[in-house]
Amino acid sequence: QQQVKQSPQSLIVQKGGISIINCAYENTAFDYFPWYQQFPGKGPALLIAIRPDVSEKKEGRFTISFNKSAKQFSLHIMDSQPGDSATYFCAALRAQKLVFGQGTRLTINP
Amino acid sequence: DAMVIQNPRYQVTQFGKPVTLSCSQTLNHNVMYWYQQKSSQAPKLLFHYYDKDFNNEADTPDNFQSRRPNTSFCFLDIRSPGLGDAAMYLCATSRDLGLAGADEQFFGPGTRLTVL
Repeated sequence: QQQVKQSPQSLIVQKGGISIINCAYENTAFDYFPWYQQFPGKGPALLIAIRPDVSEKKEGRFTISFNKSAKQFSLHIMDSQPGDSATYFCAALRAQKLVFGQGTRLTINP
Repeated sequence: DAMVIQNPRYQVTQFGKPVTLSCSQTLNHNVMYWYQQKSSQAPKLLFHYYDKDFNNEADTPDNFQSRRPNTSFCFLDIRSPGLGDAAMYLCATSRDLGLAGADEQFFGPGTRLTVL
């Protein structure tokens, strides 16, 4: 049973545009929501994360928006750059175990 | 500089031939994890070690075993690989089993396993 649903599966954005990836979760016991960035041939790397008592967190061009009542959270990449082209995974943590979304392959066209 | 090292990066084995994948870490973290990531899918946790305590996920097949001889090293043993076991295997570490994400998981680059 998929506990974290992520969309879209793939996304193409023009350079300078805003990339938006959405995730929804089912289990209210999750207490931490990280986003991971994965380049081909590399392991996932933590990009940004949020706790459910916060509605928004911003780090540079990356922002997480969190809606606890809707059980949804999203990643916004402002001024998207070709170097942002990668696969992005949302995840949720419960009992020290990460559950990942299905991933979004993001392509930023120059 | 590398913090989580996986060897080999690419492994080819034959159907049914046992294979061992290796992970080492320079972070002195207490927890080491093994994930399986199939093509275009999310990583899926197989098991983890908290120090010497082994914790298996309920749906991890018996074909997969793990060893952690010391803090720095952890091995993934696949006793009889099937074609369905072809995947990227990711090792990760965290300082502790932090509540609410207090302890980040650091991933290695992965070992891509091919089963012929």
